[in-house]
Amino acid sequence: DADVTQTPRNRITKTGKRIMLECSQTKGHDRMYWYRQDPGLGLQLIYYSFDVKDINKGEISDGYSVSRQAQAKFSLSLESAIPNQTALYFCATSDNLGVEAFFGQGTRLTVV
Amino acid sequence: AQKITQTQPGMFVQEKEAVTLDCTYDTSDPSYGLFWYKQPSSGEMIFLIYQGSYDQQNATEGRYSLNFQKARKSANLVISASQLGDSAMYFCAMREVNTGNQFYFGTGTSLTVIP
Repeated sequence: DADVTQTPRNRITKTGKRIMLECSQTKGHDRMYWYRQDPGLGLQLIYYSFDVKDINKGEISDGYSVSRQAQAKFSLSLESAIPNQTALYFCATSDNLGVEAFFGQGTRLTVV
Repeated sequence: AQKITQTQPGMFVQEKEAVTLDCTYDTSDPSYGLFWYKQPSSGEMIFLIYQGSYDQQNATEGRYSLNFQKARKSANLVISASQLGDSAMYFCAMREVNTGNQFYFGTGTSLTVIP
């Protein structure tokens, strides 16, 4: 099993719909992150959490919300999806030293 | 200002040759880490190599080495003896301790290995 698991892997949704992307990890890490990848822009940080009670906005948090349900689970929600949120979304975890970020397989989201 | 700059959108290399992928970074934090990730066409992000700001030696992992030039703020990735399976996007990233250990990513370099 993967250390960081994202569900779903692919999703097509309609404009205005609410959608949740889920992430779970078996690394035992406190730190979890959500990134968005657009072609030519690399990865941009949406939200990050350093423990269950600590959630922080990243560079591009508008239009997104998150929930850290447990140490192992960090979900990303789009309250009202819009087409320019079409992207590849990655969840990642790291230990407190931050020596390495472990990534999930990615969720390819298309908003039509 | 960009934290991580990768100036080569695309690179080509002959199989079995070495290739260098450029990365420069911008930070005033004395404590930071530098990373390289590989993203094949399947989309997953694969960790390749890490260099800490206080590390005296350049990091090496198999065919990957990181050419760390602290004064120039560069962290170039060198891939030796390129293989066809090395064709992928490569991302340079940095973690700064003083900004809460966030990871900043460059825009990536697309590497194509030619048979």
